Amino acid sequence: QSVLTQPPSVSAAPGQKVTISCSGSSSNIGNNYVSWYRQFPGTAPQLLIYENNKRPSGIPDRFSGSKSGTSATLGITGLQAGDEADYYCGTWDGNLSVGGVFGTGTKVTVL
Amino acid sequence: QVELVESGGGLVKPGGSLRLSCAASGFTLSDYYMCWIRQAPGKGLEWVAYISSTGSYSKYADSVKGRFTISRDNPKKSLYLQMNTLRAEDTAVYYCARLVVTVTSSWFDPWGQGTLVTVSS
Repeated sequence: QSVLTQPPSVSAAPGQKVTISCSGSSSNIGNNYVSWYRQFPGTAPQLLIYENNKRPSGIPDRFSGSKSGTSATLGITGLQAGDEADYYCGTWDGNLSVGGVFGTGTKVTVL
Repeated sequence: QVELVESGGGLVKPGGSLRLSCAASGFTLSDYYMCWIRQAPGKGLEWVAYISSTGSYSKYADSVKGRFTISRDNPKKSLYLQMNTLRAEDTAVYYCARLVVTVTSSWFDPWGQGTLVTVSS
């Protein structure tokens, strides 16, 4: 089971804003950068945010990331039907043998 | 265009073995760490193993340690995952991903399309 906790689901109407939290500890988020991934049904995850708040080329500025202490947050503004997907946070964890961990995942629903 | 394409998945009986491959193109494989990540049906993402750019060291999740082996052949632009003593709980889509590592951070980009491994009698 993951050591990074996310809400199972969030929802909002088109055009509104949603935020997704990712809660961890000092062994992971507290001392490491966070990345975020989006996964549409039946497809592979895609990088959305890296180093807490940086967007790869091609990702619109409607997507933003932040980190404070042992928690991180992904924000999506101007919500669109095409934003419906699962979203995962990820980071390193010094307590794990494999090195890294993902969050439990959040399903975004556009009402 | 940077691309990763997995192959080798399929149906295998408990206790059996399978070898997954990941073909890389559009970038110099030897410049990057690589990783296998899996996703059980309807579940979240799980790090399985990663390997350094030269293949000199690797790390494994506790759930697969001693049963799985990650390897790479940089001249052949390929990453591998040898899976032995498979269990029902290893059933998942297995993704290979390029692990971008800096002095202070890391992230996965891109990911392959995944290959399904089903362990069942």
